[in-house]
Amino acid sequence: QQQVKQSPQSLIVQKGGISIINCAYENTAFDYFPWYQQFPGKGPALLIAIRPDVSEKKEGRFTISFNKSAKQFSLHIMDSQPGDSATYFCAARPTGNQFYFGTGTSLTVIP
Amino acid sequence: SAVISQKPSRDICQRGTSLTIQCQVDSQVTMMFWYRQQPGQSLTLIATANQGSEATYESGFVIDKFPISRPNLTFSTLTVSNMSPEDSSIYLCSGGFSQNNEQFFGPGTRLTVL
Repeated sequence: QQQVKQSPQSLIVQKGGISIINCAYENTAFDYFPWYQQFPGKGPALLIAIRPDVSEKKEGRFTISFNKSAKQFSLHIMDSQPGDSATYFCAARPTGNQFYFGTGTSLTVIP
Repeated sequence: SAVISQKPSRDICQRGTSLTIQCQVDSQVTMMFWYRQQPGQSLTLIATANQGSEATYESGFVIDKFPISRPNLTFSTLTVSNMSPEDSSIYLCSGGFSQNNEQFFGPGTRLTVL
């Protein structure tokens, strides 16, 4: 059973546009929600993370929106650039335990 | 944060042989994990590497096939034993700190079994 459901599987965005990737979860014990960025041939890199006590976190062009009641969170990439083309994974974790990863979204930003 | 390195970065191995992957962290981490990632797929947790004790394996993974060692807080190894072509995958090591939940990944080891 997939603990974290991620959509879309792939996304194509024009340069300068907004990329939005969504994730949903069921386990209310999750209390940490990171997003990872992975380029081909590289390991996943921590991009941004949020805890459920806040509804939004912004770091540069990257924003996480968190809806605790709906058990959903999303990654927004503002002013998307070709260099943002990568695979993005959401994840969730209950305190002290393993991470559960989404299935990944392949983002392509067209110049 | 933590910087994680893995050796080898890639290898091509024959069926029936074994390969040991090394994972080195530049700081003492609370937790270390081993994942498998098929190209274009998500990450599947193999096991949690426990310092000084046996690793904790996820369903579908067994110690005889994937023995893991973690002698200290900065180093771990994963052995893929008696390999078959189905073991061809990317193997990722990760380390993290329980106090802030952050988890960092190594660059991965790309394994091809012929």
